[in-house]
Amino acid sequence: GQQVMQIPQYQHVQEGEDFTTYCNSSTTLSNIQWYKQRPGGHPVFLIQLVKSGEVKKQKRLTFQFGEAKKNSSLHITATQTTDVGTYFCAQPGSGNTGKLIFGQGTTLQVKP
Amino acid sequence: DAGVTQSPTHLIKTRGQQVTLRCSPKSGHDTVSWYQQALGQGPQFIFQYYEEEERQRGNFPDRFSGHQFPNYSSELNVNALLLGDSALYLCASSRWTGVYNEQFFGPGTRLTVL
Repeated sequence: GQQVMQIPQYQHVQEGEDFTTYCNSSTTLSNIQWYKQRPGGHPVFLIQLVKSGEVKKQKRLTFQFGEAKKNSSLHITATQTTDVGTYFCAQPGSGNTGKLIFGQGTTLQVKP
Repeated sequence: DAGVTQSPTHLIKTRGQQVTLRCSPKSGHDTVSWYQQALGQGPQFIFQYYEEEERQRGNFPDRFSGHQFPNYSSELNVNALLLGDSALYLCASSRWTGVYNEQFFGPGTRLTVL
């Protein structure tokens, strides 16, 4: 069945250090989405990647979609305490219904 | 413009009981999906409602059922509650435009089964 693997599960960094989370799928994806969930909160949409090799930036966040459209990454430059939370990648489920299959998430802790 | 709203925010039930959770989608959205998020896990798709019908279902037993009303709001019902049903239940709304893009999640209902 469809699966999306996300690593690492946890990451502790010192404020100012960089952070990267990786997402790998067993199948070729039509697109991939990234969400952020703050502690005690709900997932909030960050971005959707559609094209092979696509790279998108949002301030200190850089999102990349692999050439084969089977993997993706999220890189945060110079982390801040506001970056704390769990970052999920999500791939579309079967059928064009908007169903999402989420990875296990990477929880980021930032030490001030 | 209110986003996705859910009620109640917290709920405590005992095994064997039944529960109903409610969701109002973001204005202009016609599709509601329900997800279950266990502690430390990613959200798991339960089912999706569009045009008042269940359009797709995840790997959840028939104890989980739902409904969508003409105003696009939705309910999730869980019968014969088990301890393992304790989780955060998230409602996500979206709008069908020929494709689906981002999902807007509500704040969730935290269900505890004792």
